Amino acid sequence: KTQVEQSPQSLVVRQGENCVLQCNYSVTPDNHLRWFKQDTGKGLVSLTVLVDQKDKTSNGRYSATLDKDAKHSTLHITATLLDDTATYICVVGDRGSALGRLHFGAGTQLIVIP
Amino acid sequence: DMKVTQMPRYLIKRMGENVLLECGQDMSHETMYWYRQDPGLGLQLIYISYDVDSNSEGDIPKGYRVSRKKREHFSLILDSAKTNQTSVYFCASSFRQSNTEVFFGKGTRLTVV
Repeated sequence: KTQVEQSPQSLVVRQGENCVLQCNYSVTPDNHLRWFKQDTGKGLVSLTVLVDQKDKTSNGRYSATLDKDAKHSTLHITATLLDDTATYICVVGDRGSALGRLHFGAGTQLIVIP
Repeated sequence: DMKVTQMPRYLIKRMGENVLLECGQDMSHETMYWYRQDPGLGLQLIYISYDVDSNSEGDIPKGYRVSRKKREHFSLILDSAKTNQTSVYFCASSFRQSNTEVFFGKGTRLTVV
C-alpha cells in the first residue's frame, strides 16, 4: 500500500503564476520530510527538508510546510518560471539515521507554459 | 565537487545477459543506495550499503546483488537479466544521518529485450 500520496498527479500553470503541491502520508514514525525536484531524464535534487512537528522552510521561490499531526506537507512555488517544469517528489524518512527507510511519493508533474 | 556518478547512462541488454551498473561518489559518504524508478511509482529501494562490505536488502532485492569493496564505489549486478527489470536505476549516497542531504546520480536507463 502506498504510504506517500501526492496530488495533483500533474499540473499545468502559466509562467508567473503560483502553485501548490500536496503530500499526504501514513509513514510512522515520520522523522523528516524532504521535497525533491527531478528534471526529465535527470536525478533528484533536494529542495528542502522539514523536521519539526509543525515546520516551515523557505528556499528562494520555493516554500514548504509540514504538519506531522495531519501527516501533510505542501510545497509552494511562487512566480513560476519555465525552468520549474519538472516532477516534484515528496519523500518521508522514518528515522534520522540511514538505518531507517525513505518512503517516496510517485511525484507531481508540473508543466509551466509561456 | 559533490557528486554521485553513474555509469553507463543508457544500456540495452538481451534477456539472460549479465548487467553491471556502477556508481561512484566523492563525498566519503558511508551510506549508499540503489533504487529503481518505474512510471507511476515512487522510487523503490533495492539495496542499501552502510559501508564497505556491509550491505542490506531493501524492499525489492530479488534478481539483484550488490558489491561494495571501496567506500566510494557501489555496484549493482543483475545475473541473467529479465524483461521486467527494464527500468531507470538510481544510485544515491548520504552520511549515516539520513535527515542530512541525500545526493542522487543522474540514473541509468536499462532496457532488457
